[in-house]
Order: sequence, then C-alpha cells, then structure tokens
Amino acid sequence: DAKTTQPPSMDCAEGRAANLPCNHSTISGNEYVYWYRQIHSQGPQYIIHGLKNNETNEMASLIITEDRKSSTLILPHATLRDTAVYYCIVRVAQGGANNLFFGTGTRLTVIP
Amino acid sequence: GAVVSQHPSRVICKSGTSVKIECRSLDFQATTMFWYRQFPKQSLMLMATSNEGSKATYEQGVEKDKFLINHASLTLSTLTVTSAHPEDSSFYICSAISGYNQPQHFGDGTRLSIL
Repeated sequence: DAKTTQPPSMDCAEGRAANLPCNHSTISGNEYVYWYRQIHSQGPQYIIHGLKNNETNEMASLIITEDRKSSTLILPHATLRDTAVYYCIVRVAQGGANNLFFGTGTRLTVIP
Repeated sequence: GAVVSQHPSRVICKSGTSVKIECRSLDFQATTMFWYRQFPKQSLMLMATSNEGSKATYEQGVEKDKFLINHASLTLSTLTVTSAHPEDSSFYICSAISGYNQPQHFGDGTRLSIL
C-alpha cells in the first residue's frame, strides 16, 4: 500500500474551514484515498473516500490533485466536536476485503 | 445506515480469565469483519481479517490460539481473548464491510483491562 504523510497536528478556529493535507506520492492507479477520524476513546468514523474525482458528502469534501499524489480533506465549518485524529489512508481492495493501515494521522484541535 | 455495534464497551477482569467481545453489523450483512487493537497513544493495528464461514487470517505476530475469532454469520463476529494477562489490556475495535471496495465501518471499541 502507498504510504501517506500527514502533519502531526493542526489547530482550527471554530466556524472556520479546516483543511487537512495528505501526501501520497507513491499511490497506484487503482488505490483509493480514504479518510477516517477517531474521537478520543471511540472507534474510527468513516468520513469520505475517492479515487480521482473530488468528492463531497454531508460531512466533508475531498479534493484530490490531478496527479493524485496528494489530497485535502475539507471540513467546511469546523465545530468543537470535530476535534479528533484524522487518518488519511490509501488502499486497494484485494479479494473483496480492504483492510486499512492506520498511520499516525493529524490531530485536529478546534479552538473556540 | 452502516452501523456496527460492539459489546461490551468495557471489561475489567482478573488475569487468566477468557473474555469474549462481540461485533455486530446492525443494518447490513458484513462479508468481512476486521479486528484491531490500539494501545494508548498509538494508532490502530490490524490483528485479523474474518470472513463469514471461514477461518480468520491473522496478521504476523498475532497468536491465533490466544485470540480466537468466530464469524458464524453475516452479522456477527466474536473475538475471544483466552487466558488474558495484563499485557493484553488494550482497546479492541472491530469493523465490517458490506462488499467489495466498500468503506469499513467501525464499532465503538472495547476497553479491556486485565488486573
């Protein structure tokens, strides 16, 4: 699987957009970019995923560069409840399963 | 949709006890379930992959005789930590997927403390 690089921590003011970057320069053509977050003492929560097109859902937007070597997760209006560790993962499905490798992620702190 | 329920949420027991953790997909059939472990201040580490009706595939370094996994139906997988010791104390988390290339959905984890 392609390795990902994320900043260890970020702060964001409440109500502002949080932009979380991820580098995945060795990503293969059939690997998806997944984003999860983990709030303290809970299981990870799926946020969004994409292959090459930008994606948007009710939680966030995912912007993938044209060369697919990096991506940005955007939380449009951060709230205090968005404080969590955010994981960027790239993975190709194999044999119907797609286990995930969780790196160290970015610890996002939303500040009042 | 895509809710995964894990039970119990917390277990405290004596050394030598065996502990069973259940993972259920509530509103979908899970073709595959995964079991992870997370130690304090560390990231999640995959322990094993479980497909319904077949033996689990364990990651390197994970003892299959100590961490017994049963995936008897498309909505239930269980992890039994046999003869647990203090070093087995950790946060155990399961996840499930409904099909090929679908995202994993996680349970809320089980915090296991062995005294």
